[in-house]
Amino acid sequence: DQQVKQNSPSLSVQEGRISILNCDYTNSMFDYFLWYKKYPAEGPTFLISISSIKDKNEDGRFTVFLNKSAKHLSLHIVPSQPGDSAVYFCAASLSWGKLQFGAGTQVVVTP
Amino acid sequence: SQTIHQWPATLVQPVGSPLSLECTVEGTSNPNLYWYRQAAGRGLQLLFYSVGIGQISSEVPQNLSASRPQDRQFILSSKKLLLSDSGFYLCAWSGSANPYEQYFGPGTRLTVT
Repeated sequence: DQQVKQNSPSLSVQEGRISILNCDYTNSMFDYFLWYKKYPAEGPTFLISISSIKDKNEDGRFTVFLNKSAKHLSLHIVPSQPGDSAVYFCAASLSWGKLQFGAGTQVVVTP
Repeated sequence: SQTIHQWPATLVQPVGSPLSLECTVEGTSNPNLYWYRQAAGRGLQLLFYSVGIGQISSEVPQNLSASRPQDRQFILSSKKLLLSDSGFYLCAWSGSANPYEQYFGPGTRLTVT
């Protein structure tokens, strides 16, 4: 049962423009959400997180938005840079840090 | 600073052979430890987690087992590998104060032939 879904397997964006990654979830009991970035043959690296009591969290070029009524999470990257080309996973926690991950979105930043 | 090590980086094993993957964490004490698997084209699936020495919780029934013989050591094992065990195995840790933010090792690419 896939409770965290990333419906866009890939995203191409021009350098300097905004990248918007989306994530939907089905379980309203999730209390914490995270985004991870992954390069090939490496482990994911933590990017940014948000608690379910907030609707926005910002860290440099990365902003995460949470819409609880729509059960929707998004990550904005502004401006996009070539080093942002990677697979991005969203994750949600039901309890104690047991994370459920989406299938990932491959981002390609073009010159 | 904290670092997490996994080895080997790649492994090719025949069906029916045993498996042992090791993960160690440095720079922290009493971490929460996790084993994940990423199958091709899919997200990460939590296999096991541990909150302390000898304390292992399994998330999905499978052909694998985990052990935590020391505070910062986590081992993933199998007695007999199946073809379906192929995948990318990742170890992760988190601090007990914030178990949500997990930090991953470099991973092991396992191919069962």
